[in-house]
Amino acid sequence: DVKVTQSSRYLVKRTGEKVFLECVQDMDHENMFWYRQDPGLGLRLIYFSYDVKMKEKGDIPEGYSVSREKKERFSLILESASTNQTSMYLCASSLIPGQRATSTDTQYFGPGTRLTVL
Amino acid sequence: ELKVEQNPLFLSMQEGKNYTIYCNYSTTSDRLYWYRQDPGKSLESLFVLLSNGAVKQEGRLMASLDTKARLSTLHITAAVHDLSATYFCAVASLAGTASKLTFGTGTRLQVTL
Repeated sequence: DVKVTQSSRYLVKRTGEKVFLECVQDMDHENMFWYRQDPGLGLRLIYFSYDVKMKEKGDIPEGYSVSREKKERFSLILESASTNQTSMYLCASSLIPGQRATSTDTQYFGPGTRLTVL
Repeated sequence: ELKVEQNPLFLSMQEGKNYTIYCNYSTTSDRLYWYRQDPGKSLESLFVLLSNGAVKQEGRLMASLDTKARLSTLHITAAVHDLSATYFCAVASLAGTASKLTFGTGTRLQVTL
């Protein structure tokens, strides 16, 4: 089974703090993603990475950065947390489309980190 | 910009009834995904629809894709309480070698006795 783990389920930080959210996957997936989920807005893509040290902006990258030093680990960084970054953060991973026989590029999600910024 | 609309946003239905959730999207794509999310939990993959006319079924859920109409449906047959959850559709667009998913806002399904 694919396993995607996130470092914390719940996190409370203060405005202005630097926040690190860690995500690890154990299925040798090339692609990794960070989303935030807010009521009524669904999931919105923050950043994604298709290879080690490679990153691409998603739909809402402002206020965030990412790091991917190893294939299995993808970190989301809030340089200076603000209250409007209070949200549920979900990490996901996937294969490259068609890379392995019968595989799809379904994204597999971690359990989520609920971040509150006070 | 790809937009994905789901309706209804909220659905309350009685056990044993049938209903359909609709997912419309704005630009061409040949891959669409359905996910389920239980309260306080993460997303679980239900279906991957890879071509026009694709139909997948699992238990009381059946998903279909019409790429020409840019429409996918998730049909629920004889609902049971265990199906209560939020259902998301997501449409894929390629960005390099990664598939970016754009999600709908979700349909919260409540099945009552």
